[in-house]
Amino acid sequence: EAGVAQSPRYKIIEKRQSVAFWCNPISGHATLYWYQQILGQGPKLLIQFQNNGVVDDSQLPKDRFSAERLKGVDSTLKIQPAKLEDSAVYLCASSPASSGNTIYFGEGSWLTVV
Amino acid sequence: LAKTTQPISMDSYEGQEVNITCSHNNIATNDYITWYQQFPSQGPRFIIQGYKTKVTNEVASLFIPADRKSSTLSLPRVSLSDTAVYYCLVGSSYSGGGADGLTFGKGTHLIIQP
Repeated sequence: EAGVAQSPRYKIIEKRQSVAFWCNPISGHATLYWYQQILGQGPKLLIQFQNNGVVDDSQLPKDRFSAERLKGVDSTLKIQPAKLEDSAVYLCASSPASSGNTIYFGEGSWLTVV
Repeated sequence: LAKTTQPISMDSYEGQEVNITCSHNNIATNDYITWYQQFPSQGPRFIIQGYKTKVTNEVASLFIPADRKSSTLSLPRVSLSDTAVYYCLVGSSYSGGGADGLTFGKGTHLIIQP
């Protein structure tokens, strides 16, 4: 079974520029998550989708971050404009409908803002 | 979401059994207990999940006392490759299917020495 796919793997941008990350969840997984992980900390949930609807985006900085999952499969996370403190790993994850609370993570997209 | 407390770091040696205990005093009736492992440059990986008593798989065992206010992850005969950060999380299934977006703490950094 293919895992959660993310791209790009690494990205370096200057502050105030924009960046977009793409995620393809495990086939058949209705729930998709974006997490932000700053070095030395645990992952922090940014947004959770159920199919193409948003379940929870309470920790998403909406003035600069946006995410969409238009067809209920792939998702994109955008940051515009980026700040230095956005330097982190952005992890996409997905879970099936009957998983207890098991979430499957991708390898992550590493963002450095300079 | 229930908060968890676990040691920041632990050391052990190859071949030893390692037990990592997590406290979750305000765990809810519907909450599962899930442990994840994270290596550098990778996303967290599911290890084991339980609700009560004991669960064992090919990787680890999870011990949960009757009051469910704590849990212990047991790794038998660890090797150098078990050096990683281990996260304990509690959460329940989202009512629409899949898992509630989980709240990660800082985890336990386990270091295995030769």
